[in-house]
Amino acid sequence: GENVEQHPSTLSVQEGDSAVIKCTYSDSASNYFPWYKQELGKGPQLIIDIRSNVGEKKDQRIAVTLNKTAKHFSLHITETQPEDSAVYFCAASTWNFNKFYFGSGTKLNVKP
Amino acid sequence: GAVVSQHPSRVICKSGTSVKIECRSLDFQATTMFWYRQFPKQSLMLMATSNEGSKATYEQGVEKDKFLINHASLTLSTLTVTSAHPEDSSFYICSARFRTGNNEQFFGPGTRLTVL
Repeated sequence: GENVEQHPSTLSVQEGDSAVIKCTYSDSASNYFPWYKQELGKGPQLIIDIRSNVGEKKDQRIAVTLNKTAKHFSLHITETQPEDSAVYFCAASTWNFNKFYFGSGTKLNVKP
Repeated sequence: GAVVSQHPSRVICKSGTSVKIECRSLDFQATTMFWYRQFPKQSLMLMATSNEGSKATYEQGVEKDKFLINHASLTLSTLTVTSAHPEDSSFYICSARFRTGNNEQFFGPGTRLTVL
């Protein structure tokens, strides 16, 4: 089955700096890669996703890059703000299956 | 759009009782819903996939007689934790997938279960 690894487990940045979270996956059949933000006591919220036919996708301060050859994808948050503080999860999935394989999560702390 | 609700948000029960958690897609039809379990500071663990009108598919190691799943309509799935024990205490999260379209899953806000 698929194995998704996520690094780092914790990340602390100063407000205004950029934050990068990286994930690797093992199954070359995976072709859908969403990123979720989870605040304490709440369910995950989709913040951005990318499909394998695209190498990069951007939405305002958030961007995701995908390297299919190396089987890794990254989340980039620019101009971080304190409200970006949360736990971020990456996931991998295929179009044929419903299963999402989640990374272990990254706790992002943006210091004012 | 694409809102998923869960009820209750928090429940405390005594050991040996059963607890039912509801997951609803409020503004879309969901052929498939998923149930996850999350321990503190850990990732989401898929428990089962629930398809409308058919039996749920459970992940390896998840007891289907312990965690009963019913997906009676395109907008409602329920998870019943039977004969709950303290080790069942956890954060339970559901998600729903559009009936048609892409692979995106929308998550509910979660239910915190505490078994005394």
